[in-house]
Amino acid sequence: EAGVTQFPSHSVIEKGQTVTLRCDPISGHDNLYWYRRVMGKEIKFLLHFVKESKQDESGMPNNRFLAERTGGTYSTLKVQPAELEDSGVYFCASSQETTRPSGYTFGSGTRLTVV
Amino acid sequence: GQSLEQPSEVTAVEGAIVQINCTYQTSGFYGLSWYQQHDGGAPTFLSYNALDGLEETGRFSSFLSRSDSYGYLLLQELQMKDSASYFCAVEADSWGKLQFGAGTQVVVTP
Repeated sequence: EAGVTQFPSHSVIEKGQTVTLRCDPISGHDNLYWYRRVMGKEIKFLLHFVKESKQDESGMPNNRFLAERTGGTYSTLKVQPAELEDSGVYFCASSQETTRPSGYTFGSGTRLTVV
Repeated sequence: GQSLEQPSEVTAVEGAIVQINCTYQTSGFYGLSWYQQHDGGAPTFLSYNALDGLEETGRFSSFLSRSDSYGYLLLQELQMKDSASYFCAVEADSWGKLQFGAGTQVVVTP
């Protein structure tokens, strides 16, 4: 079974530019989550999709961040315009409700650097 | 506010036993999970406790006491490959919304 795939693995952009991160969850997983780890700090929740619907987006830092999950498959997270404080590692995770407590499968993350 | 506390680093020799404690202060509680992360890799699920007691999975065990808002991860028969960061995470507000601790760096020496 393929795992959670994220790309790009690394992205370096200038302040003010736009970046789009993509996550392909495990096939059949209805739940998809985005998390972020800013340098030296905890991994923090951003939002949760159930299929194509946003279940909880309470962790989204501001309106420069836009997440979508068209058709309930892959998801994108767009940052526009990027700021220096957006630098960090963005993780995606997916799960099936019926497989608890097997946990959530995380991708390897996208390391975003804003210069 | 809500918080999770775990030690920043633990060093031990191969074959030893390491216990990583996690205390949490959250408004709600569904369960406590543990994840392992090697440098540059994906956090990998290790164990989950929703009820008080000990869960054992091979060389790793996890314990929870909900009345004490406390849990620990026990790593036995340490191997070099166990050198990694270990995170405790609580589902406090809803299923799937994990709140992570800052992580414990485990260093295994020969």
